[in-house]
Amino acid sequence: QKEVEQNSGPLSVPEGAIASLNCTYSDRGSQSFFWYRQYSGKSPELIMSIYSNGDKEDGRFTAQLNKASQYVSLLIRDSQPSDSATYLCAVRRWNTGNQFYFGTGTSLTVIP
Amino acid sequence: EAGVTQFPSHSVIEKGQTVTLRCDPISGHDNLYWYRRVMGKEIKFLLHFVKESKQDESGMPNNRFLAERTGGTYSTLKVQPAELEDSGVYFCASSRPMGARTDTQYFGPGTRLTVL
Repeated sequence: QKEVEQNSGPLSVPEGAIASLNCTYSDRGSQSFFWYRQYSGKSPELIMSIYSNGDKEDGRFTAQLNKASQYVSLLIRDSQPSDSATYLCAVRRWNTGNQFYFGTGTSLTVIP
Repeated sequence: EAGVTQFPSHSVIEKGQTVTLRCDPISGHDNLYWYRRVMGKEIKFLLHFVKESKQDESGMPNNRFLAERTGGTYSTLKVQPAELEDSGVYFCASSRPMGARTDTQYFGPGTRLTVL
């Protein structure tokens, strides 16, 4: 079983719509959760971090964490073509130091 | 503030040769990480430095890989001798000396290594 699972996509949404990206993780003791955005050939760029159950909003982005269901999601409101990228979910467990466990990423395309 | 930089951006070598990758972390970041992404797979942890000390090298695949961080600044990752399965993108990340729970890692653009 993979530590972190994401639907690889591709996910296509029209401009202005809400894009919903999902991630599940296997270790119930995981404590920190991150969403990175990666354009082709570029650095993964941190979008959001979340540590507690519930929602965390930052501009057009909302991260949602449900530890009971071992589920973390990222919502992108008013999607723009510039949001087209691969979105990586990363998780830090409580007992394996500082290393991140990554999903394979979800490719998002926003259609103008 | 300059981001994490990596050199070279691409490297193509033949099986059996040696390659050295370099990472310059963000200034003031004590934590430095190496990760690798093999095609079609997820990014996987290789090792973690705190300043010049190896904190965790549990992800290093075998003894053909040697990482150093002399002086606690930049780091190198040497692969010797390179094998076909070493091909992939090698990412470096760095973070401030914060508590583990809130440690945010900033990534470099990666070095794409191709072993022929």
